[in-house]
Amino acid sequence: DAGVIQSPRHEVTEMGQEVTLRCKPISGHDYLFWYRQTMMRGLELLIYFNNNVPIDDSGMPEDRFSAKMPNASFSTLKIQPSEPRDSAVYFCASSLTPPGTGINQPQHFGDGTRLSIL
Amino acid sequence: KNEVEQSPQNLTAQEGEFITINCSYSVGISALHWLQQHPGGGIVSLFMLSSGKKKHGRLIATINIQEKHSSLHITASHPRDSAVYICAVSGGGSTLGRLYFGRGTQLTVWP
Repeated sequence: DAGVIQSPRHEVTEMGQEVTLRCKPISGHDYLFWYRQTMMRGLELLIYFNNNVPIDDSGMPEDRFSAKMPNASFSTLKIQPSEPRDSAVYFCASSLTPPGTGINQPQHFGDGTRLSIL
Repeated sequence: KNEVEQSPQNLTAQEGEFITINCSYSVGISALHWLQQHPGGGIVSLFMLSSGKKKHGRLIATINIQEKHSSLHITASHPRDSAVYICAVSGGGSTLGRLYFGRGTQLTVWP
């Protein structure tokens, strides 16, 4: 049973370049979440989708960040142009129900993408 | 002020010791989650609870809704328990769907 799949696992690029992170949620999960983890701020929700529609993007830091979910099995998080302060680990997670609803329906996390902007 | 506060930030224990990690929150919640993040970085959901207590193997999670407090206990700790443990709460009402995270507790268990 495949879990949440993220790619790439690591990305190193120069500032100003466009970065695209990819996520394939678990099949059948209607909710997809993008998180960012830094030493300074810990884990933060960036955006989440329900049935491919963005529901809450209040965590997206600024216009340089954009996320799409063109279909139920694929989502992207883009940063353009990238800056050194965007360096972090980006996690994608999916779930059957919103967090806190449904019995024993936790979020399943991908392994994350470690992004370094030089 | 963070919506979720964890303590301690760092915890070192000898193998076999009983471990307690605490979590306090200030928002209305629909559920509380305990997550485990191993040195490789992967995050695993350990518990999701909205009342009472849950047990899984050597791990026990409790929550007191009135006091807005939860604890994660590890009995007979083992070096493989070394990880970062993160408390998170699911918002209720208009914030349903959002997770608010604590900063995590780094646990190191020595053999």
